[in-house]
Amino acid sequence: QVQLVQSGGEVKKPGASVKVSCTASGYTFTSYYIHWVRQAPGQGLEWMGGINPSSGSTSSAQKFQGRLTVTRDTSTSTVYMELSSLRSEDTAVYYCARRSGRHNWSDGGYYYYFMDVWGKGTTVTVSS
Amino acid sequence: DIQMTQSPSSLSASVGDRVTITCRASQRISTYLNWYQHKPGEAPKLLIYAASSLESGVPSRFSGSGSGTDFTLTISSLQPEDFATYYCQQSYNTPPYNFGPGTKLEIK
Repeated sequence: QVQLVQSGGEVKKPGASVKVSCTASGYTFTSYYIHWVRQAPGQGLEWMGGINPSSGSTSSAQKFQGRLTVTRDTSTSTVYMELSSLRSEDTAVYYCARRSGRHNWSDGGYYYYFMDVWGKGTTVTVSS
Repeated sequence: DIQMTQSPSSLSASVGDRVTITCRASQRISTYLNWYQHKPGEAPKLLIYAASSLESGVPSRFSGSGSGTDFTLTISSLQPEDFATYYCQQSYNTPPYNFGPGTKLEIK
């Protein structure tokens, strides 16, 4: 079945980096973008960034630019999210999600994009 | 960037109630709007995409409507498993794929 399996929880000190993996199975890895979304304690969902596994091109939210690196390994169908210069506010559950799309035939070549398959989440705790 | 707002931020309701959650975009987004359900300790779940298209496997008591800037998610008859937080997300001008702040649906 289609699934995304994430790596285990991490505890990091302020200033360190964390690298979380997301391994896809059950579908063609290079056919769907993978995005990262996080939820800090008591907060809502926050889109961080994503990658086109086919080309390796990435995008990220402005607040993470310079700190967020998303990469992929097509040989293992795995996407990696690395966040550097960690601070306490980065304590959160980090999710990877597959982006799917449906063609909007009434709107030219545009697609409806949505995140239809999610990993179970990886808890990252930043504490001294 | 397109900003999303939701109302109410929290809502108490009883099993069997009809519930409506509202989402508003800061600019017109046609029907490029998704709804997700999120329960503590679980991954978010896609409910509706393209404002009103029900994701496969999602119960028909969930429905979505709207276009432009104003959207609604309706649960026609609340079930115990529906108590969760609900998020809207725009997919009109991406990236970023901004989410709304969420609506927490609690048991009355």
